[in-house]
Amino acid sequence: DTAVSQTPKYLVTQMGNDKSIKCEQNLGHDTMYWYKQDSKKFLKIMFSYNNKELIINETVPNRFSPKSPDKAHLNLHINSLELGDSAVYFCASSPYGQLIGGYTFGSGTRLTVV
Amino acid sequence: GENVEQHPSTLSVQEGDSAVIKCTYSDSASNYFPWYKQELGKGPQLIIDIRSNVGEKKDQRIAVTLNKTAKHFSLHITETQPEDSAVYFCAAYSGGGADGLTFGKGTHLIIQP
Repeated sequence: DTAVSQTPKYLVTQMGNDKSIKCEQNLGHDTMYWYKQDSKKFLKIMFSYNNKELIINETVPNRFSPKSPDKAHLNLHINSLELGDSAVYFCASSPYGQLIGGYTFGSGTRLTVV
Repeated sequence: GENVEQHPSTLSVQEGDSAVIKCTYSDSASNYFPWYKQELGKGPQLIIDIRSNVGEKKDQRIAVTLNKTAKHFSLHITETQPEDSAVYFCAAYSGGGADGLTFGKGTHLIIQP
């Protein structure tokens, strides 16, 4: 029973398209995150949602929009995809205000823009 | 904001030897320091963490040390095994509530048979 699951695992699309990545957690955590991992493996936070409220938006282009229908889901929608958006995107979750046990990450979505 | 530096970027050791990965952080308010292991094609997984009120923590072959004065912390893996080969990330947390972890750039650990 996967704790943090994201779909799809692989996504290949053309420049200019709009795509979404879905994330769900069954841990009862209050906070969910999206991280981008580039080709050099660097992990950079994009968004954080706590009880459906956006907490962090780290200079991410407004083509990226997180959508959280409830606290167990945080989806990532990307408009007008660009070549530079190619990366692995990780969803994660944690209890609010408590980092005992740290974050739980999903297995990642490898996005390739051609 | 917080800045985390991690060294080395690649570390190759003989099976059975020890491996040490070092990180420094910039924000003296940081109070939580986790280490993650990422295997090929998978998401990062927490392997050990330490809080700022503790200087050292051990879990079997893995240990982490923290020097708050110098603002650095290290991961020590003893008796390395082939399955220890992976990318390791250190991270620091200084915010309250839902602020994100700041990660180091990762160390690719290679265990030579």
